Amino acid sequence: EPEVTQTPSHQVTQMGQEVILRCVPISNHLYFYWYRQILGQKVEFLVSFYNNEISEKSEIFDDQFSVERPDGSNFTLKIRSTKLEDSAMYFCASSARPGGNEKLFFGSGTQLSVL
Amino acid sequence: QKEVEQDPGPLSVPEGAIVSLNCTYSNSAFQYFMWYRQYSRKGPELLMYTYSSGNKEDGRFTAQVDKSSKYISLFIRDSQPSDSATYLCAMSALAGGATNKLIFGTGTLLAVQP
Repeated sequence: EPEVTQTPSHQVTQMGQEVILRCVPISNHLYFYWYRQILGQKVEFLVSFYNNEISEKSEIFDDQFSVERPDGSNFTLKIRSTKLEDSAMYFCASSARPGGNEKLFFGSGTQLSVL
Repeated sequence: QKEVEQDPGPLSVPEGAIVSLNCTYSNSAFQYFMWYRQYSRKGPELLMYTYSSGNKEDGRFTAQVDKSSKYISLFIRDSQPSDSATYLCAMSALAGGATNKLIFGTGTLLAVQP
């Protein structure tokens, strides 16, 4: 089965530093998402992206966050100035179509640790 | 009241047992209901989805939705050690546009003992 690939699997950074998390969605998918999961807490929606635009974002996705599709295959999440509370597992997901019944494929995640 | 509530467990059962996992929710706009399975250090993987109220069966798995009670369930028959994972319920509203915002429960950790 096709899969979403995320790199790196682990990222350690100092507070205040910028990080870029990378994702390669499934090749024929057009809708892209970032979710995160703080240890012991639920998976939370951050942002959805389609046609080079943000479709929806949550309150968590403030000005410190940005997303980009720099080329035909990659989808990135940038955190400009990391805070301790940004430490979490970040999941990229993609789907072929929008809609509540559309299957989301999740990557294995990037564990971000902010020291 | 939290939007989606799920008993975090852990839940430990012997191999072959029937497992019942449940979530309640408060937002009556939710129309799509899903169950994801998450193995350690992996992303969530979709197991079942149901639109509106009703039952859906897929092999050993049955998903039930009762919108009147705002209650969803996942049943696993003849549970196997390989079913040991965290099970997440997830829901989304009928929304237009290019979005698929899922609201997840906290997940229930299931251990099936051989």
